[in-house]
This record gives sequence, C-alpha cells and structure tokens, in this order.
Amino acid sequence: EVQLVESGGGLVQPGGSLRLSCAASGFTFSSFWMFWVRQSPGKGLVWVSHISHDGSGTTYADSVQGRFTVSRDNAKNTLSLQMNSLRPEDTAVYYCVRGGHSYAYDFWGQGTLVTVSS
Amino acid sequence: DIQMTQSPSSLSASVGDRVTITCRASQSINTYLNWYQQRPGKAPKLLIYGASSLQSGVPSRFSGAGSRTDFTLTINRLQPEDIATYYCQQSYISWTFGQGTKVEIK
Repeated sequence: EVQLVESGGGLVQPGGSLRLSCAASGFTFSSFWMFWVRQSPGKGLVWVSHISHDGSGTTYADSVQGRFTVSRDNAKNTLSLQMNSLRPEDTAVYYCVRGGHSYAYDFWGQGTLVTVSS
Repeated sequence: DIQMTQSPSSLSASVGDRVTITCRASQSINTYLNWYQQRPGKAPKLLIYGASSLQSGVPSRFSGAGSRTDFTLTINRLQPEDIATYYCQQSYISWTFGQGTKVEIK
C-alpha cells in the first residue's frame, strides 16, 4: 500500500524557516517524480514544487522561487521541503504527492499545517 | 501561465442525478487534464487522468471527456458520498488547478 506521511509543520514567525519531510513507503520511491502542493485555509490547491525521480530536476512556483528548496533521499525514501523567509501568505496545509500517468498526482499524503504568524 | 477555469463554482443536485462540471484551459493542453475529488477535511484524490482515463479503484459512475481547451467531468447517478469539491488540473506545462466546484446534495 502506498503511503506518504508528512511531518514538520507548525507555527513559525514571519521571516523564519521550517523544514517539511515526507516519508514514503509501499512503492519504489526512486522511480517516481514527487511534488509539494499547498492549500491555504478555505482556498484551492496550488502546486508548489516538483522534483524528478533522481533529484536532477526541480521546479518551483513563482511565489516560492528562491525561498523554498525541494530535495529527496532515495536511500531513505524521504522527500523534503526547506522553507526560508516564510511569509503569512505561506500559511497552508502542505501535501506530499506522487506523480503518475500523464503527470497527474496519483497519491497524496494527509498534509501538514504550516502557520506563519507573529 | 496556463489558466484553468471551472464552472459552476458550486452546484446542488439530488441523489441519482447526472452532474456535469466543465473546465476550460486558457490554451491548448492536448489531453493533459486531470480531475480530483476532495471530501471535506480530507486530502484530494485522483479520479481521472489524461482527460478520460479512470484511476484505479474509482467508481465507474465518474467519467471524463474533452481535449485541447474544453473538458468535462460527469458523475452519473450522484451518491451521498460524492459530496466534495472537485478540481481540474492541467499537467501540460507545469501544473495548474482550477478554482474548484463544490457539489452538494439537494
């Protein structure tokens, strides 16, 4: 069974940093692109970042470019998102997601809440 | 950037009804169009990928159609468990979601 379990969310002050992690199991992690998607309270879904299966390629939404860094450890089946210079508008549930056919998102974690507030 | 526009933003229908949600892309995306269901308080779930392919385990009352810029998600015989917000997403250039369609039971 595919499982994606996020951790690392919490309350952080504006300008602060936070590192999210996602533990993957039930599939060959090193074979799949992975993504981070966020959802602000009461709002829609927004793609944040992607990383290729071997980590050689990454992309970011304009809103986080230069502040967030995605990485993966295929030996430990772990996906990470380093978030720096956090802003109140980064407040959201962050989902770890697996890429599937047609670059769709076929499995989602349960999400971890990040709150940026003073 | 490719913009995705869904309609309606919300709808109310009776159990057993056929429901159709539309999604329009700001430019051609071939068939790189996916549909997700998000039940209240839950993570999204993939329903349809590649415009019309049913994800494994998804009930056959869900179907998708369309190509280039215009797409539809149809729910045949609406069930109480289909109460959710539905999102379209393009995966042709980067990834963009529509704003969502909230489906309620009348």
